[in-house]
Amino acid sequence: EVVLTQSPDTLSLSPGDRATLSCRASQSIDNFLVWYRQKPGQAPRLLIYDASKRATGIPARFSGSGSGTDFTLTISSLESEDFAVYYCQQRSSRPLFTFGGGTKVEIK
Amino acid sequence: QVQLQESGPGLVKPSETLSLTCNVSGDNINKYGRHWGWIRQPPGKGLEWIGTIYHTGKTYYNPTLKSRVSMSVDTSKNQFSLRLNSVTAADTAVYYCARDPGELSLPAHYMDVWGKGTTVTVSS
Repeated sequence: EVVLTQSPDTLSLSPGDRATLSCRASQSIDNFLVWYRQKPGQAPRLLIYDASKRATGIPARFSGSGSGTDFTLTISSLESEDFAVYYCQQRSSRPLFTFGGGTKVEIK
Repeated sequence: QVQLQESGPGLVKPSETLSLTCNVSGDNINKYGRHWGWIRQPPGKGLEWIGTIYHTGKTYYNPTLKSRVSMSVDTSKNQFSLRLNSVTAADTAVYYCARDPGELSLPAHYMDVWGKGTTVTVSS
């Protein structure tokens, strides 16, 4: 089973700051990495798939990078709706796809 | 606009069977390539994929749950369902149904549209 480790657990930032979130896989997953944002009390929303492709309707302030075992989600300038929990997910080891433990982005 | 809506009992007794249905609107459950799945989230915890189904009935299950899970699809009603038997308190969670955009006739194994989720508590 591929294990995804997200860091940090919590990121304390201010609106307008740049956020950098990390996701590390226990073995190579090529570029089969997905990012979601989950606001409190809501379902997750797809942000990025295949490491760097923005999903439909996702603003350009979100970008993803990486391949193999190390991946990054960058939010160039945080808006109020971006204070939430972010999950990475791998889709390499089919049929089992697994999620990371999440990174919470909170207001400093 | 694609919408998914979960429905089912909010309370299930231990050892019994959890049954949920997801109604799909704004998309055709029969559409080539589209797959449909269930994910759950225990209170205060992360996400766990349960399984995915294609309109043909082909299923993909999380190996850790496979012995207790079954999924089905009703194309005439544009909905799909989840059954999880022999539940325990560890199955208490918010259950989400979601759309997998698919890759040709295979699941893409990520979810691009989610329902709002339904809370299921396992308790006597």
